[in-house]
Amino acid sequence: QVQLQQSGPGLVKASQTLSLTCAISGDSVSSKSAAWNWIRQSPSRGLEWLGRTYYRSRWYDDYAESVKSRITIRADTSKNQFSLQLNSVSSDDTAVYFCARDVGGMELDYWGQGTRVNVSS
Amino acid sequence: SYELTQPPSVSVSPGQTASITCSGNRLGDKHAYWYQQRPGQSPVLVIYQNTKRPSGIPERFSGSNSGNTATLSISETQAMDEADYYCQAWESSTVIFGGGTKLTVL
Repeated sequence: QVQLQQSGPGLVKASQTLSLTCAISGDSVSSKSAAWNWIRQSPSRGLEWLGRTYYRSRWYDDYAESVKSRITIRADTSKNQFSLQLNSVSSDDTAVYFCARDVGGMELDYWGQGTRVNVSS
Repeated sequence: SYELTQPPSVSVSPGQTASITCSGNRLGDKHAYWYQQRPGQSPVLVIYQNTKRPSGIPERFSGSNSGNTATLSISETQAMDEADYYCQAWESSTVIFGGGTKLTVL
């Protein structure tokens, strides 16, 4: 059974960097069939996919155009986890952030518990 | 950019069948996925690859996808099915979500 456990601060100051981590159990961040996603949810934007990282003999990542200039998703194989960094945040980035696994570019079958992040001015 | 459109709300009487639609350009050429989200919880996959149910999801949940519309159907709807439902598809290695539909069981 795959479990994703999120951690990170719930409050970030505007213009700073939002950083969250998702620890994986029951699978490997280096899996050649899975990919590791970050998604956020807010009343104004609904569910919004931010990006993912995955390993297929080398590391790849895909990012949403809306955040491409500000986002980095990185895997940590030593801790079997992956992280989200979102730079230069504003109040528009206030949301609940989820990590999730997809298998082979298909369904998002396992989700983290969600982290509510408020961006304060 | 690719968009998926869902009705904001659907109402159904207990025991009846609820149908939630998701529209997108040639959506039938892609796989559609459906997620259930109860208040304060993470989304849960209820339908994948248009018609398949993950283990643990009741047979009352079914899906279809053809043309420009994917549909999630919930037969014999129960009070516990009241939740937000989101459709999802892939477009050029990115995930697209619909805006979500609030299902109310009256």
